[in-house]
Amino acid sequence: GDSVTQMEGPVTLSEEAFLTINCTYTATGYPSLFWYVQYPGEGLQLLLKATKADDKGSNKGFEATYRKETTSFHLEKGSVQVSDSAVYFCALSDRWAAGNKLTFGGGTRVLVKP
Amino acid sequence: DAMVIQNPRYQVTQFGKPVTLSCSQTLNHNVMYWYQQKSSQAPKLLFHYYDKDFNNEADTPDNFQSRRPNTSFCFLDIRSPGLGDAAMYLCATSRVPVEFGSREQYFGPGTRLTVT
Repeated sequence: GDSVTQMEGPVTLSEEAFLTINCTYTATGYPSLFWYVQYPGEGLQLLLKATKADDKGSNKGFEATYRKETTSFHLEKGSVQVSDSAVYFCALSDRWAAGNKLTFGGGTRVLVKP
Repeated sequence: DAMVIQNPRYQVTQFGKPVTLSCSQTLNHNVMYWYQQKSSQAPKLLFHYYDKDFNNEADTPDNFQSRRPNTSFCFLDIRSPGLGDAAMYLCATSRVPVEFGSREQYFGPGTRLTVT
């Protein structure tokens, strides 16, 4: 079945540091890939997405490229801020998933210190 | 312009006392989902409605039920809450069939349930 593996946290960084969160996936079909962000006490917000190989999703300075050859969708940001402290979830929705069901990775907590 | 609304944001109930959580959406999406999330773990899908069709996950306890009276509203009923049901409950929506590859789900802010 489908699965998503992402690096475990917590990841602790200083402000303006470079952030990478690794995400790899296994899927039988042609998945769409997503990064969701969850701030403390809030629901999940869609951060960015990519629907086919070599697509690059970007938003709020974050980027991720859909790499079919390495089955990866790593999240990057060049200069993090304290406000980026959150839990980040990598997820996929397989083309054949009924009702657009999502498969989530375990989440990575990121803490940015001033 | 709230899109997925959950009420209340915080709910306290007593052990064994039925509780209902509500979700509404202004996106006119035909699929609505309920998730349970504990301690910033990945959300766990309980069930979803595809239009009026109810789809239960195999490992969702019978204690959890859902109703969808119309496109905009969906309710989560916990018939006899136990201490282990304390969690964040997230509602989400999506549109099927997919347009332009957009398979994403849109989440509400969640309801934090405490069981005393």
